[in-house]
Amino acid sequence: KQEVTQIPAALSVPEGENLVLNCSFTDSAIYNLQWFRQDPGKGLTSLLLIQSSQREQTSGRLNASLDKSSGRSTLYIAASQPGDSATYLCAVNWDNDMRFGAGTRLTVKP
Amino acid sequence: NAGVTQTPKFQVLKTGQSMTLQCAQDMNHEYMSWYRQDPGMGLRLIHYSVGAGITDQGEVPNGYNVSRSTTEDFPLRLLSAAPSQTSVYFCASSYGLGGGYEQYFGPGTRLTVT
Repeated sequence: KQEVTQIPAALSVPEGENLVLNCSFTDSAIYNLQWFRQDPGKGLTSLLLIQSSQREQTSGRLNASLDKSSGRSTLYIAASQPGDSATYLCAVNWDNDMRFGAGTRLTVKP
Repeated sequence: NAGVTQTPKFQVLKTGQSMTLQCAQDMNHEYMSWYRQDPGMGLRLIHYSVGAGITDQGEVPNGYNVSRSTTEDFPLRLLSAAPSQTSVYFCASSYGLGGGYEQYFGPGTRLTVT
């Protein structure tokens, strides 16, 4: 059964820190992996998508990596800001079956 | 481009009532899907469609029906609402699920069943 796990469930850091969010998944035969941001009471905003053939993607202060063989992805956030506070969700796609992790709730303190 | 729109934003139902959650997209996406999000859990796939006239079940389909008569619309029907269906429902669309196709999400419908 395909499963996605995110650790930690919650993270609190002071402003300016670099941080890493983790996502692990069963079954390495994925189509792609997508990282989302969700603000309280809102929908999901796509941050980065990594295709199966790629190792990483970057957008601004965000960098996502993918290691299919070990079933892991990381989302690196550089120089965190209070505006980065949100829940970050990892979603893995296996052939029309997209599974989400439960998310990491990030708080960046001024 | 309005993107993915969902109506209503909030809904309260009594047990046993039926209703339809609406979802529409204006991006000409073939793939559309419905998820539910419960506290402490990730989103779970209810039903999806790979094009007009084609639908299939996801991880948690029981108690829900879908149909796809046009590319733009993908309504979700609750046949007989139960308290266990209290959740936030998200609709999503994309050109496909493989490769570099991003999924775009609507703002969600918050449903309470009493």
